[in-house]
Amino acid sequence: DQQVKQNSPSLSVQEGRISILNCDYTNSMFDYFLWYKKYPAEGPTFLISISSIKDKNEDGRFTVFLNKSAKHLSLHIVPSQPGDSAVYFCAATQTGANNLFFGTGTRLTVIP
Amino acid sequence: EAGVAQSPRYKIIEKRQSVAFWCNPISGHATLYWYQQILGQGPKLLIQFQNNGVVDDSQLPKDRFSAERLKGVDSTLKIQPAKLEDSAVYLCASSAGTANYGYTFGSGTRLTVV
Repeated sequence: DQQVKQNSPSLSVQEGRISILNCDYTNSMFDYFLWYKKYPAEGPTFLISISSIKDKNEDGRFTVFLNKSAKHLSLHIVPSQPGDSAVYFCAATQTGANNLFFGTGTRLTVIP
Repeated sequence: EAGVAQSPRYKIIEKRQSVAFWCNPISGHATLYWYQQILGQGPKLLIQFQNNGVVDDSQLPKDRFSAERLKGVDSTLKIQPAKLEDSAVYLCASSAGTANYGYTFGSGTRLTVV
């Protein structure tokens, strides 16, 4: 039962343009969402998070938007840089819980 | 701050053999997780420790997988006997608090079962 879904396995974007990565979830109890970035042969690294009390969180070039009614969140990267090329995982949890549920990942390629 | 250390980085074994992975979490992190990431999928939780006690092992195939965390620090994950479908990256992560604090992952061990 995949509670967190990333329906786009890959995305290619030109350098300088905006990258938009999407994520959907099914469990209405989730109230905290995280994005992780993974380079080959490395573990995932935390990128940005958002609580369900917000609909937007921004950190430099990275912004996460949350639409609770649609159970959808998105990660915007602007401007995209070649170093952003990686696999991005969306993850969700319930505050106070111990487990993160991950999506299947989206491979972003930023073309110079 | 040192990160989460894992070894070995890579392991190739034949099916029905046994294998063990080691993890050293960030100092002071009470919670330790083992995740399995099969190619093309997201990480899936196998087992979670709080100090040296098991919090959640509901997804651990206990007929072949075992894990321990002695003294609430290092942890080992063992597979015996291995199956072809166990080929995956095994990720260890640690956290200072609950999941919404985020995890710090190690680089993982890539296991290939042939």
